[in-house]
Parts: sequence; C-alpha cells; structure tokens
Amino acid sequence: AQSVTQPDIHITVSEGASLELRCNYSYGATPYLFWYVQSPGQGLQLLLKYFSGDTLVQGIKGFEAEFKRSQSSFNLRKPSVHWSDAAEYFCAVGPSGNQGGKLIFGQGTELSVKP
Amino acid sequence: KAGVTQTPRYLIKTRGQQVTLSCSPISGHRSVSWYQQTPGQGLQFLFEYFSETQRNKGNFPGRFSGRQFSNSRSEMNVSTLELGDSALYLCASSLVGGILYTEAFFGQGTRLTVV
Repeated sequence: AQSVTQPDIHITVSEGASLELRCNYSYGATPYLFWYVQSPGQGLQLLLKYFSGDTLVQGIKGFEAEFKRSQSSFNLRKPSVHWSDAAEYFCAVGPSGNQGGKLIFGQGTELSVKP
Repeated sequence: KAGVTQTPRYLIKTRGQQVTLSCSPISGHRSVSWYQQTPGQGLQFLFEYFSETQRNKGNFPGRFSGRQFSNSRSEMNVSTLELGDSALYLCASSLVGGILYTEAFFGQGTRLTVV
C-alpha cells in the first residue's frame, strides 16, 4: 500500500541553524512528491514539488528538497531557519499519470524555533 | 488570482445533525478534493471530484458525501454527525486533465465542532 512516513513528530532548532526534515515513501511507481507547510488553524501552503528531472528541487522561502529513489526519501532542507518557519510540515505523495488528485500525507513534523 | 475559498470557516453542530460545507476552486481548476484533518488521524483523503463526477474515494462511511457543480464548485455533506467528525475539513483544487497533473492548492479549511 502507498504510504508516507515522517519519522520525526517534533523538531526544535535554534534560529539560524540548519534544518532537515525527513520523509520516506512507499509507492509502486515513480511518485509525485510534495512538501506543504501549515500554520496553526490555516490551510496548507505548497513549499515545493518533484515531478521528474533534477532530483534537487528548490522551493519557496529558501527551502529545498532532494529526491533519492534508492532510499525512497524526499527530505526537506533549509540552510538557516528563521523564527517565522515555526509551523507544521507535511510530506505528501501524489498519483502519477491520470489517477486523479488524491494525495497521501505523512503524519507531519512540527517545527519549533528557539531564539 | 483568487485562491480556494471555503465557507463557512467555523461551524458548531450538535450530534445527529447534518452539515454542508462549500468549496470554490481556483478559476479554471476542474478537480476538487476534500480532506479531513484531526490530531489523531492526520490528513485523510475523503474524495475527489472532477468534471462533476466522483473520481476517487477514501475510506469514510457513507455519511460523508459530496458533489460538484458545473462551475466546479463543490459541496461536502456529513449526515448524522458524530463527535468524532470534529475536524478541520480542507478542500484542494488542482488543474487535472488526462495525464496532466499539477499541484493541489488548499483552502483555509472549515473547522467543524460537533457537540
């Protein structure tokens, strides 16, 4: 069955420190991969996406992610975290081809930022 | 351009009642998906509509239903509400057609509280 695992439920980093959020997926075909961010009580905002091609993708707000097929991973990184990055982050896998718009989400990683 | 609009933002209902939530997708988007978000279960896919037809369905009881109109606006209905239906309901729209898939854009959500 298709699934997404985010091993870290909660991460705390100091402002200015680097960040890496982990995401592993299980999917039969080449997946479409996404990272979304959610502030409290809000909807989801897309940070970046991977459909094909270059395995290192750049997103908004200085985030990037690397697709590693051999490890079934799509980890999110940021070189220097800002206090405004505190939020919940979701990794998601989407269908390829014409299978519609269903997304499967990981459980999320809550990021806290220490001053 | 305008984003995904969900109404109402907040709802309080009593057990046994029914509720209808509305979602207006981004102009030109033909796919609308619905997700339920709870602290315990995370983000779970409810169903997806494309061109007024339900294309995908998640593992929710028949009390959860939806529909899509010719202008792509979608409604979601929950009948005989239970306490466990309290959640943030998120709607997402995407430009999907055939083998073309683009990312999903989410609305702010409707916070449903069942008392």
